[in-house]
Amino acid sequence: AQKVTQAQTEISVVEKEDVTLDCVYETRDTTYYLFWYKQPPSGELVFLIRRNSFDEQNEISGRYSWNFQKSTSSFNFTITASQVVDSAVYFCALSEAGTNAGKSTFGDGTTLTVKP
Amino acid sequence: KAGVTQTPRYLIKTRGQQVTLSCSPISGHRSVSWYQQTPGQGLQFLFEYFSETQRNKGNFPGRFSGRQFSNSRSEMNVSTLELGDSALYLCASSFAGIDDEQFFGPGTRLTVL
Repeated sequence: AQKVTQAQTEISVVEKEDVTLDCVYETRDTTYYLFWYKQPPSGELVFLIRRNSFDEQNEISGRYSWNFQKSTSSFNFTITASQVVDSAVYFCALSEAGTNAGKSTFGDGTTLTVKP
Repeated sequence: KAGVTQTPRYLIKTRGQQVTLSCSPISGHRSVSWYQQTPGQGLQFLFEYFSETQRNKGNFPGRFSGRQFSNSRSEMNVSTLELGDSALYLCASSFAGIDDEQFFGPGTRLTVL
């Protein structure tokens, strides 16, 4: 069965600090996709990144970066020089494309608060 | 380009009633997925429709059903409502499905009394 664990329930940082949100997943499939979504106070989930299981390259997009490590089944998300607008709930998600294709599993989310 | 819209935004029902929620995807998207979000269970996948066919389904009872029309708009129905059905119901659309980048709507907040 697929599972996504975001062990950090809440994180609080001061503006300009770097912060890393952890995501650990479990899957038996060799082909799968990992996602990060942001849910600001307004409630609407916003897509941040999608990664397939065959692409372990780390990615950087502005202040955001992602570290995908299959060896540890982790897909961590780092925000550099955090800003107040980064305050939101962040979800990591897994979608399997193999024998369990068609299921989408989300972690419980990490609530990030960035204080001015 | 208009985003995903969901109606109604808020709904109050009583136990035993049924409810229908609507979702209009982004133009050109053929996949519509539904999710339930509650404080206790988090975000849970309900089902996905693609070109009017249910392609994937989560672990929810048969009281939860849906359909998709030829214009890709989708409806979700919950029959015989229970208190535990109170939740934020989110709809997401994409070109290819749940493996693709999904665009979420603002959600429908359902309260069951």
